[in-house]
Amino acid sequence: NAGVTQTPKFQVLKTGQSMTLQCAQDMNHNSMYWYRQDPGMGLRLIYYSASEGTTDKGEVPNGYNVSRLNKREFSLRLESAAPSQTSVYFCASRGGTSGGKRVETQYFGPGTRLLVL
Amino acid sequence: AQSVTQPDIHITVSEGASLELRCNYSYGATPYLFWYVQSPGQGLQLLLKYFSGDTLVQGIKGFEAEFKRSQSSFNLRKPSVHWSDAAEYFCAVAGAFNAGGTSYGKLTFGQGTILTVHP
Repeated sequence: NAGVTQTPKFQVLKTGQSMTLQCAQDMNHNSMYWYRQDPGMGLRLIYYSASEGTTDKGEVPNGYNVSRLNKREFSLRLESAAPSQTSVYFCASRGGTSGGKRVETQYFGPGTRLLVL
Repeated sequence: AQSVTQPDIHITVSEGASLELRCNYSYGATPYLFWYVQSPGQGLQLLLKYFSGDTLVQGIKGFEAEFKRSQSSFNLRKPSVHWSDAAEYFCAVAGAFNAGGTSYGKLTFGQGTILTVHP
C-alpha cells in the first residue's frame, strides 16, 4: 500500500515548455486534489476532482489543466510553463465514506519540485 | 469563505521546553480541523484532526490540540519538544459539502509556522 505517489520528483523546464505531473493513489479514494506550495503562502488548491469523471477549479487554476483518468489517477498539465509556476506541487486524495462515516482526511504525496527558467 | 490564520511565522524553542502553535479559523459552521507537519523536502503528514466530540484531540508524536469554538481556535501543543520536531506546521480547515452528500472537502491551509528547536 503505497498511498499517494507522484512523478516526477524534480523537473526543470524552460519557459513555454509543457509537461504533465502524474499522481496515483491506491486507497480507493473518491476525491483527489492538486495543490501548489510557495514560501509564506501555505498550500493553495489548483484543481480538485470530487469523484471519477468530475473536475473543478480551485483557488489558482490559471495556466493548468487536469485529467481524472480513472479512480486511481489524477494528472496536472502545464501547457506553456511560466516562471511564476515554479513551485512545489502536491497531490492529495480523500475518501468519501467508510463504514457509513465520512472520511475527511486528505493524504498527501511526496511532492514534485518544478523549476521554470 | 473559510480561512485559517497562523499568527506566528517562526517559533524557536529549546529542546525539552513546551510548545504551543496558534491557529485561528473562520468558518460558518462546525469545522473539520487538521494539523499537518512537513519536514524539509518532504510531503505533509497528518498529526491530528478534529471532527466532533471531545474538544481535546490527541495525535501522533505526542502532540495534542484543543478546539475552542468561542475563540475560533485550534492550537497545537506538545509538553516537551524534541529536536526531531523541527519542521513546518500547517493548520487547515475543511470546507462544506454539497447537499447531495457527495463531498469535495475543500481544504484551506494557514501560511504555516516554522519551528526551530535549539539543543
